[in-house]
Amino acid sequence: EAQVTQNPRYLITVTGKKLTVTCSQNMNHEYMSWYRQDPGLGLRQIYYSMNVEVTDKGDVPEGYKVSRKEKRNFPLILESPSPNQTSLYFCASSHSNYNTGELFFGEGSRLTVL
Amino acid sequence: QKEVEQNSGPLSVPEGAIASLNCTYSDRGSQSFFWYRQYSGKSPELIMSIYSNGDKEDGRFTAQLNKASQYVSLLIRDSQPSDSATYLCAVNSGGSYIPTFGRGTSLIVHP
Repeated sequence: EAQVTQNPRYLITVTGKKLTVTCSQNMNHEYMSWYRQDPGLGLRQIYYSMNVEVTDKGDVPEGYKVSRKEKRNFPLILESPSPNQTSLYFCASSHSNYNTGELFFGEGSRLTVL
Repeated sequence: QKEVEQNSGPLSVPEGAIASLNCTYSDRGSQSFFWYRQYSGKSPELIMSIYSNGDKEDGRFTAQLNKASQYVSLLIRDSQPSDSATYLCAVNSGGSYIPTFGRGTSLIVHP
């Protein structure tokens, strides 16, 4: 089954404690991205990757890091989480670097930073 | 800054009616347009893509694009309670790898 898998699905952490949200897709997609979704603000892109070792900032990259060492994996790293990073996070992938609006989304990771 | 605007709703329609969801965008260079459906607590799911002016039909869904007026709409015919969800409009500009999402319109289909 084609899917994008995120872990953990739910996480409560404290300010400053580094965490990683993993994302893996089994569709051999080149394009992967991370979004956060907040009430009233909608979906905003954090980072995206066009291919292995190729990453770039989205609209709200501050406080986040990513890496793309393998085509299937695109982890999101919060080096020092803060309460304003409490949000619902989605990983997404696309079959085409030229049509990045056709996205397959993971199930989401709800993060709470205390 | 590229903007995608949607009425937040909720839009309430009776079962069997046509639901009409609208979206306007600011960037005239936009080339690709998408509608996603998001059930409460779930992830967005792509339901329609449209790239040229006019209508595109897929089952009960019709996407309409008017680039001159910078709007894209989604019509849902014979609305069902299972269509109750938030509908997100997304727009991709030529040369951009960052699709811009609207904040979504909540649709409620009541029996």
